[in-house]
Amino acid sequence: NAGVTQTPKFRILKIGQSMTLQCTQDMNHNYMYWYRQDPGMGLKLIYYSVGAGITDKGEVPNGYNVSRSTTEDFPLRLELAAPSQTSVYFCASRVLSEAFFGQGTRLTVV
Amino acid sequence: GQQLNQSPQSMFIQEGEDVSMNCTSSSIFNTWLWYKQDPGEGPVLLIALYKAGELTSNGRLTAQFGITRKDSFLNISASIPSDVGIYFCAGPPDRSYNTDKLIFGTGTRLQVFP
Repeated sequence: NAGVTQTPKFRILKIGQSMTLQCTQDMNHNYMYWYRQDPGMGLKLIYYSVGAGITDKGEVPNGYNVSRSTTEDFPLRLELAAPSQTSVYFCASRVLSEAFFGQGTRLTVV
Repeated sequence: GQQLNQSPQSMFIQEGEDVSMNCTSSSIFNTWLWYKQDPGEGPVLLIALYKAGELTSNGRLTAQFGITRKDSFLNISASIPSDVGIYFCAGPPDRSYNTDKLIFGTGTRLQVFP
């Protein structure tokens, strides 16, 4: 039972580069979320989705984009990477009140 | 936007001690969730609370949904080394019945010394 899978686990980007963080879940959950966690800090909601074709902004959406073409996949896109986007990114899916998290992607922008 | 403030920010305790932490919000929540994050991992749900005044236990953990619906408390009894981690409160804020968002608190970092 894979749950929520994120790829890659680690990535170093140069300023101005773009990349897509992948997230897929096999639990058929409608709700999916992207969070970022800066060192020693809590989780900040970037974007979320309540189902395929529907996405909405969270607390810190600037510099990111998402899409939700299928129930399973919820990729997060960084178009012009900036040092302020250095963080650990977590994807989660949710059923009722419980959210299930992936292992995270550690991103460094230099 | 909504903010969940947790206190204390960090705790350093000896094995066997009891731990108390709390979470407060400026707005009402209909559901309170408590998560634990181990180093290098994603958060995992510990306890879910659905009703004001509710008291729920999970082993050595006990959590309470505050009467005002703006706060929640988590207690850990007889701490052990594997309790080390970051504890987060979370919930969908009650605003126009929109329970789609799930926001997290600032976290309480727990260190347990043998």
